[in-house]
Amino acid sequence: KAGVTQTPRYLIKTRGQQVTLSCSPISGHRSVSWYQQTPGQGLQFLFEYFSETQRNKGNFPGRFSGRQFSNSRSEMNVSTLELGDSALYLCASSLAESGGALGKETQYFGPGTRLLVL
Amino acid sequence: LAKTTQPISMDSYEGQEVNITCSHNNIATNDYITWYQQFPSQGPRFIIQGYKTKVTNEVASLFIPADRKSSTLSLPRVSLSDTAVYYCLVGPFSGGYNKLIFGAGTRLAVHP
Repeated sequence: KAGVTQTPRYLIKTRGQQVTLSCSPISGHRSVSWYQQTPGQGLQFLFEYFSETQRNKGNFPGRFSGRQFSNSRSEMNVSTLELGDSALYLCASSLAESGGALGKETQYFGPGTRLLVL
Repeated sequence: LAKTTQPISMDSYEGQEVNITCSHNNIATNDYITWYQQFPSQGPRFIIQGYKTKVTNEVASLFIPADRKSSTLSLPRVSLSDTAVYYCLVGPFSGGYNKLIFGAGTRLAVHP
């Protein structure tokens, strides 16, 4: 079974621009989460989507948004880019099976998109 | 979510067994303990997950005492390729709460 894929793998943008990152979850996985990783802040949760609805959100400004499509693929968008948005953006998927064992929900991460804002 | 505490870094040599202990004093009844491994510029990779006692897979073992206030990830006979950051996470990873909170992790360096 193919893993989580993210495109593009690398991206260079300038301040003020916007960017859209894409994530394709493992086949059959219904939940997609996004994380930002920087040397200073570590791995931080951005948001999670399930059945095309955002159901969890981290502490990031409104410039960070996302969506999920009916096939569970997800995109995240960052508008008005700032230098501090330079980071590795990771996507993770999980089954999110209803009725599944409580507390036993493994997330599988993609390779990430490395974004550099100049 | 239960807060976790683990060593910032550890050093080992090829062929040795490495044990990384994580403290989670306020773990809740429905919390599971999960360990991830991350190499530079890659996404974290799931290693092992457990609730109590001992869990073993082809990669590692996870030891959880009866009070569940700590857990130990055991990597048998490490190699240079095991050099990575290891994260211990505790939480109710059920559907509806897929929000992983990562700490600083333990940076493991394996030497020849």
